[in-house]
Amino acid sequence: QQPVQSPQAVILREGEDAVINCSSSKALYSVHWYRQKHGEAPVFLMILLKGGEQKGHEKISASFNEKKQQSSLYLTASQLSYSGTYFCGTHLNTGNQFYFGTGTSLTVIP
Amino acid sequence: GAGVSQSPSNKVTEKGKDVELRCDPISGHTALYWYRQSLGQGLEFLIYFQGNSAPDKSGLPSDRFSAERTGGSVSTLTIQRTQQEDSAVYLCASSFPRDRGSYEQYFGPGTRLTVT
Repeated sequence: QQPVQSPQAVILREGEDAVINCSSSKALYSVHWYRQKHGEAPVFLMILLKGGEQKGHEKISASFNEKKQQSSLYLTASQLSYSGTYFCGTHLNTGNQFYFGTGTSLTVIP
Repeated sequence: GAGVSQSPSNKVTEKGKDVELRCDPISGHTALYWYRQSLGQGLEFLIYFQGNSAPDKSGLPSDRFSAERTGGSVSTLTIQRTQQEDSAVYLCASSFPRDRGSYEQYFGPGTRLTVT
């Protein structure tokens, strides 16, 4: 049930772009994206719903392919503050469980 | 306004003892989740509460784990006869639900449980 994320880790220089992918084997109702810094709780970035609705921070963009049960998070012009571990989270079409993905460690260096 | 709070922030207990972890959600949030995060790992779903409905307990790893939510607000996660593999950070999150997960979850700071 746990979504698989790729890549597992990425290192960027400031200003570079990155794409983080999330793939589920189950039909999804919604995909969430969160960022967790070391020793802190996850922080909300974006929600993408079946049917196309999205809600999130202005500087974050993402896509949700309902047919493939895949989502991608696009980070552009990265800043040092973007460093952290990114998790996708999924609600299936049935049930109330929420499954977090395997995580992607992002490090932005000067 | 106040965010999600959890107590204690740290708990060290001996193997075999029972522990209670508390979560105070954001006022008005009717949905509440518990997760477990082992060192360097992702978040594992444990249980979901929504209003007065029966909780979804499908993620609880064994019958030593139980949770309750009183008055639709404060929640307590209880682990009986703790084992060393229970050592982890336990995170609580709350949200406004609308059709199963269409609102963001706000996380508390977590309780770090260490079983010696």
